[in-house]
Amino acid sequence: QKEVEQNSGPLSVPEGAIASLNCTYSDRVSQSFFWYRQYSGKSPELIMSIYSNGDKEDGRFTAQLNKASQYVSLLIRDSQPSDSATYLCAVATRSGGYNKLIFGAGTRLAVHP
Amino acid sequence: EPEVTQTPSHQVTQMGQEVILRCVPISNHLYFYWYRQILGQKVEFLVSFYNNEISEKSEIFDDQFSVERPDGSNFTLKIRSTKLEDSAMYFCASSAPGGREQFFGPGTRLTVL
Repeated sequence: QKEVEQNSGPLSVPEGAIASLNCTYSDRVSQSFFWYRQYSGKSPELIMSIYSNGDKEDGRFTAQLNKASQYVSLLIRDSQPSDSATYLCAVATRSGGYNKLIFGAGTRLAVHP
Repeated sequence: EPEVTQTPSHQVTQMGQEVILRCVPISNHLYFYWYRQILGQKVEFLVSFYNNEISEKSEIFDDQFSVERPDGSNFTLKIRSTKLEDSAMYFCASSAPGGREQFFGPGTRLTVL
């Protein structure tokens, strides 16, 4: 059974701080890794994708991938109250074409003023 | 910015009735997906669809489920005889040719009474 594990939280950080979200996955052949943000009652919104080991930065977001450790993380710098949401880690085993995403249960982030 | 759309936003049905959930993927995308999320649970893959046929389906996607692309823009999910446990949010997603990223629609909340 291919699994994606996340700490459910809530992770509570003060406004302006760095939020660090972590994810581990069980299938070593996984090729593609995604972070989605989901507000309550809404659909998943893609915020970051990463395919190679190392860091990938996009604005206030940095994704980190370590395939040897089967570990993906998301850093959110200068956290804002509007970042309060559930962050879903998703993993796919294919590098292209159709691609089944396996989701973790999500980490709930609460940014307080 | 192009987006995936879904109708209806909320569908209420009686157990045993047939429902059709509709999606319009992003126009140049070729890979289409359905996922569902039972309240408080993970997002789960149901089916992927490419070139007018199912590419992959999960064990959830049994004979009660079917998908169709009836024309050049719509992608539908049919549940033939709904059960109470089919109550969930159903998300349609699509991805571009050669792309790995999947973009989700706003979802249809299905309530089976």
